[in-house]
Amino acid sequence: AQSVTQPDIHITVSEGASLELRCNYSYGATPYLFWYVQSPGQGLQLLLKYFSGDTLVQGIKGFEAEFKRSQSSFNLRKPSVHWSDAAEYFCAVGAPDSWGKFQFGAGTQVVVTP
Amino acid sequence: DAGVIQSPRHEVTEMGQEVTLRCKPISGHNSLFWYRQTMMRGLELLIYFNNNVPIDDSGMPEDRFSAKMPNASFSTLKIQPSEPRDSAVYFCASSIWTGGKSGELFFGEGSRLTVL
Repeated sequence: AQSVTQPDIHITVSEGASLELRCNYSYGATPYLFWYVQSPGQGLQLLLKYFSGDTLVQGIKGFEAEFKRSQSSFNLRKPSVHWSDAAEYFCAVGAPDSWGKFQFGAGTQVVVTP
Repeated sequence: DAGVIQSPRHEVTEMGQEVTLRCKPISGHNSLFWYRQTMMRGLELLIYFNNNVPIDDSGMPEDRFSAKMPNASFSTLKIQPSEPRDSAVYFCASSIWTGGKSGELFFGEGSRLTVL
């Protein structure tokens, strides 16, 4: 079965600075990978996804993520954060051979300071 | 286009009462998921349906929880009797599954349940 780890529970970043959120997964083959964002009181919104192909994936709101098979990672990046990026971010893993069993990480809370 | 619609958005009830949460998936999606989110346990998959059929309910906490999907446009999650430890945000999500490839999950805004 697949699993996912987000090592950082909480990150504080200054507005305008770059942001990188870490995600490591465990799965025997290439999984489906997702990043979601959740604002307070809201549902989860998909930022980007990786199924196959180009390992650098562009998403909405200026986010991108890179799939690195050798490191079992799918880190999320943004070059310059905005105050509106303050939210909780979830990495998720889906297994092509056990579809439906998406695993979500514990989430990383991002605080943006002026 | 309408997204996943959940109701009620907030529910406060007393221990022992029956709670019914409702979900309308995105039209054309053939898979539906119920998740529970708490501070302690994060996001937990409770059950998911494919083409209205329950595929995996191993995440349902106990017999007090039940879920149905009578048709492609409606699902319910019922808790009877409710307990304070059931307090959480319950999310419904839908997706398209075609053969061996799945799409991403689209989430509703959640139903926040408080059991006193």
